[in-house]
Amino acid sequence: KQEVTQIPAALSVPEGENLVLNCSFTDSAIYNLQWFRQDPGKGLTSLLLIQSSQREQTSGRLNASLDKSSGRSTLYIAASQPGDSATYLCAVRIPDYKLSFGAGTTVTVRA
Amino acid sequence: ETGVTQTPRHLVMGMTNKKSLKCEQHLGHNAMYWYKQSAKKPLELMFVYNFKEQTENNSVPSRFSPECPNSSHLFLHLHTLQPEDSALYLCASSQDRVNEQFFGPGTRLTVL
Repeated sequence: KQEVTQIPAALSVPEGENLVLNCSFTDSAIYNLQWFRQDPGKGLTSLLLIQSSQREQTSGRLNASLDKSSGRSTLYIAASQPGDSATYLCAVRIPDYKLSFGAGTTVTVRA
Repeated sequence: ETGVTQTPRHLVMGMTNKKSLKCEQHLGHNAMYWYKQSAKKPLELMFVYNFKEQTENNSVPSRFSPECPNSSHLFLHLHTLQPEDSALYLCASSQDRVNEQFFGPGTRLTVL
């Protein structure tokens, strides 16, 4: 059974600092990995999708890397802003097409 | 409206009530999903529908009953729920089961 772990569970940084969020998964047989953002009490917004054949994806200040062999992905957010405060979820798509989610990292960016 | 919508956004119900959650997607997708999100726990997949047919029931108790009348609408019928069923219920859709999923805003359910 695929297990997805996100460490740390919570993170607080001053504005302007770069954010590094980690995701690990136990089974490297994945189709893709997706990073989501969730604001309190709200739904999920997709940030980046990395196919299993890719090593990284970039969108604006966001960069996500994927090392399938070691079962790891990292989301980098450059020059953090208070508006980046949210919970960030990592999910892997496993061979039966389901998404397996981590519990998330809650980020607070202090002004 | 665009994207994935869910109604109601908030619901409080007693254990003997019957209620329904509604999800609608305006993306032309063929697959729809129900997820449960409890505090501090990963999202749990409940049901998957592909072309209106249920393809996944992730050992969900029978007090939750899904219905998918067409590819754009998905319902979750609730009856005799327990307090531990209180959670955020999220609906999602995708073009098919392989592609990226798009989520609705969720229904915050409280069972008294």
